[in-house]
Amino acid sequence: KQEVTQIPAALSVPEGENLVLNCSFTDSAIYNLQWFRQDPGKGLTSLLLIQSSQREQTSGRLNASLDKSSGRSTLYIAASQPGDSATYLCAVGDDKIIFGKGTRLHILP
Amino acid sequence: GAGVSQSPSNKVTEKGKDVELRCDPISGHTALYWYRQSLGQGLEFLIYFQGNSAPDKSGLPSDRFSAERTGGSVSTLTIQRTQQEDSAVYLCASSPGTGPYEQYFGPGTRLTVT
Repeated sequence: KQEVTQIPAALSVPEGENLVLNCSFTDSAIYNLQWFRQDPGKGLTSLLLIQSSQREQTSGRLNASLDKSSGRSTLYIAASQPGDSATYLCAVGDDKIIFGKGTRLHILP
Repeated sequence: GAGVSQSPSNKVTEKGKDVELRCDPISGHTALYWYRQSLGQGLEFLIYFQGNSAPDKSGLPSDRFSAERTGGSVSTLTIQRTQQEDSAVYLCASSPGTGPYEQYFGPGTRLTVT
């Protein structure tokens, strides 16, 4: 049974710093890995989708990597801004997505 | 273009009542998914529909939960004889198909069972 773990559960960093969010999964036979952002009281916004044949994806200040063999993914956020404050969720699978419990990120102005 | 919409945004109901939650997917998306987000439980898969195929109901927590999708578009999630543990945010998502496609989420319906 696939399990997804995200560490840390919460993180506070000063504005401008680069940071890394971690995600690990137990079953390496995945199809896709997706990173989402969730703002309080809102739905999920897809940030990056990495297909199983890919190693990384980039969008603006965000870079997500995937290492299937070790069951890990990282989300790198460069030059963090207060507007980046949100909960970041990692999810694996194609149809039945399995989510981690998220990392609550707070960027200090 | 219009994203995934859900209604109502909030629903308060008494224990034992039935509720219906509605999801309008993005036009042209053939796959539709329901998830539940509970405090302390994170997001969990409930059910998904792909085209005319039989839905995958493997995530439904009990037989009080059911869902249908009419005409390959709008979906309704029904919870019968609601219990307090059903209180959660119910999220709907759609995608152009199954497989390597991003899922696009609606804003959710917050259900509170009193």
